[in-house]
Amino acid sequence: ETGVTQTPRHLVMGMTNKKSLKCEQHLGHNAMYWYKQSAKKPLELMFVYSLEERVENNSVPSRFSPECPNSSHLFLHLHTLQPEDSALYLCASSRTGGSYNSPLHFGNGTRLTVT
Amino acid sequence: GQQVMQIPQYQHVQEGEDFTTYCNSSTTLSNIQWYKQRPGGHPVFLIQLVKSGEVKKQKRLTFQFGEAKKNSSLHITATQTTDVGTYFCGGGADGLTFGKGTHLIIQP
Repeated sequence: ETGVTQTPRHLVMGMTNKKSLKCEQHLGHNAMYWYKQSAKKPLELMFVYSLEERVENNSVPSRFSPECPNSSHLFLHLHTLQPEDSALYLCASSRTGGSYNSPLHFGNGTRLTVT
Repeated sequence: GQQVMQIPQYQHVQEGEDFTTYCNSSTTLSNIQWYKQRPGGHPVFLIQLVKSGEVKKQKRLTFQFGEAKKNSSLHITATQTTDVGTYFCGGGADGLTFGKGTHLIIQP
């Protein structure tokens, strides 16, 4: 329904686990993003891929590793997370080019709990 | 780095009252975007403003972009229960920087 599909919707993992979040967009966009949404904090931009090249990494800890194999798919690989990493992880996509940012289309998010 | 501030953080209104949220950026923005996130949902794009002093309307919603392109506001006239949610503003290049959002709570 959103054109951007995220799986899984919920994930509980221990601090020693390795897991991956998946995002797929069906909108023909060529830019994809990972945002973190925690309680009482702004939406935090984590990674930006434009035309499958990473263009932004906002000093995100190395325990988060993105992968963008093509313009429709985006992954976030997680390992040795901390409890403070528990949050809603939102994927978004947009068009690139032009003078202004194109609107972002968000997925429903993955609610991550680190125990 | 760029910072985007929004006030108020929470706003309680009676149904039918008006509501306004304000957005201020530490730097001049080429454009600003507004999003709405319903409880349990994801942010949904509402509008984009690009011109200095621009005003746009969507039914009961009025959006303004400041003359200096560093601030913006969203005004809702005669709120309805369907307006409940968090309203975010965002600006910047290569991915938006968002404010914390304003949570709108409506009492019937």
